[in-house]
Amino acid sequence: DGGITQSPKYLFRKEGQNVTLSCEQNLNHDAMYWYRQDPGQGLRLIYYSQIVNDFQKGDIAEGYSVSREKKESFPLTVTSAQKNPTAFYLCASSHPPGSNYGYTFGSGTRLTVV
Amino acid sequence: QKEVEQDPGPLSVPEGAIVSLNCTYSNSAFQYFMWYRQYSRKGPELLMYTYSSGNKEDGRFTAQVDKSSKYISLFIRDSQPSDSATYLCAIGETSGSRLTFGEGTQLTVNP
Repeated sequence: DGGITQSPKYLFRKEGQNVTLSCEQNLNHDAMYWYRQDPGQGLRLIYYSQIVNDFQKGDIAEGYSVSREKKESFPLTVTSAQKNPTAFYLCASSHPPGSNYGYTFGSGTRLTVV
Repeated sequence: QKEVEQDPGPLSVPEGAIVSLNCTYSNSAFQYFMWYRQYSRKGPELLMYTYSSGNKEDGRFTAQVDKSSKYISLFIRDSQPSDSATYLCAIGETSGSRLTFGEGTQLTVNP
């Protein structure tokens, strides 16, 4: 079945550590996105990529980094520069512009700083 | 002013009630309107997709868009406990463009 797989489901980070969240899709979608979800704040865009080897900052990119070396994969690294990383992280993908479809989301990764 | 404003709720209704969820937006260039449903600790799933003004019906769900008022709604008829979730509106300027999401409305349907 086609879909988006995020791993791990739960992740714990110590102060000062970098951690990487995985996102893989087999939908043959060109565009991929990373969102952060906090209670009462909806979805906030961190980074997005419309083609391989290219990505753009979203609204809250500080303290995060991404790569897009393969169409199927869009990992997100939460660096030690992100001062408040505890949140629910969602990866999504979509068809390219010109098609009438919304986003497909993964099941999310819950990151907690310990 | 936020580009998309959504009634935050939470909303609690008895089983069988008609539910109305609403969003307003500020950018008249928005043309694509969606509703997502998100169960607790899960990713959002696309529920309804509409283009421009008008109504779209799918079973117990009806999405309504009024571009003149910059107002979108999702109606749920004969609500069920399984409809208990957070509902997010999402709006796009062009097909395939970045979506702007509302904050979400948490709905609880009580048996």
